[in-house]
Amino acid sequence: SQQGEEDPQALSIQEGENATMNCSYKTSINNLQWYRQNSGRGLVHLILIRSNEREKHSGRLRVTLDTSKKSSSLLITASRAADTASYFCATGGGNKLTFGTGTQLKVEL
Amino acid sequence: EADIYQTPRYLVIGTGKKITLECSQTMGHDKMYWYQQDPGMELHLIHYSYGVNSTEKGDLSSESTVSRIRTEHFPLTLESARPSHTSQYLCASSDHGLAGANEQFFGPGTRLTVL
Repeated sequence: SQQGEEDPQALSIQEGENATMNCSYKTSINNLQWYRQNSGRGLVHLILIRSNEREKHSGRLRVTLDTSKKSSSLLITASRAADTASYFCATGGGNKLTFGTGTQLKVEL
Repeated sequence: EADIYQTPRYLVIGTGKKITLECSQTMGHDKMYWYQQDPGMELHLIHYSYGVNSTEKGDLSSESTVSRIRTEHFPLTLESARPSHTSQYLCASSDHGLAGANEQFFGPGTRLTVL
């Protein structure tokens, strides 16, 4: 079964609004990563949060991790049309990653 | 410039043909990975390698095979392509991780269509 599941599956917002995506996972982790994938392209790493961290920021991105609930959230503030993409969480162990089901974000002008 | 490359980007081929998808990285990474992804779906790990002469099967069973003769090169081969192999194939690489998995760098992908 999937290690990570994201919700919502799809999200449509207006430019300038904030977008929040959630990820739940099943087993214990060393770290959790978020990736972005533009349509038909490879994935791009956004941010990594370690299991002993609760929150991390990178530019307009804010990631939280709650290991007791086995969940993480990705917040994109002041969204732009260029943020339109699919977003995946990934959990690591033994140098392999297991990816979640992804959230498709559409930011409209 | 350090990067990861995949060729071809698109391939349309008939059933029964042998194909090789190329993946090369110039980042000096030891670890390389192949994922299969259907449109709008999650990624499934089908092969990985921790270094030269190391190859392992991933979480999703695949009829493809891989080889790792050189650090920078990790080709994937299908001996006899079938329509069920139609998918996007993504190659990735990563460096050593001190704890858990490190960031993976992805190529642009090969979109394979088998008629």
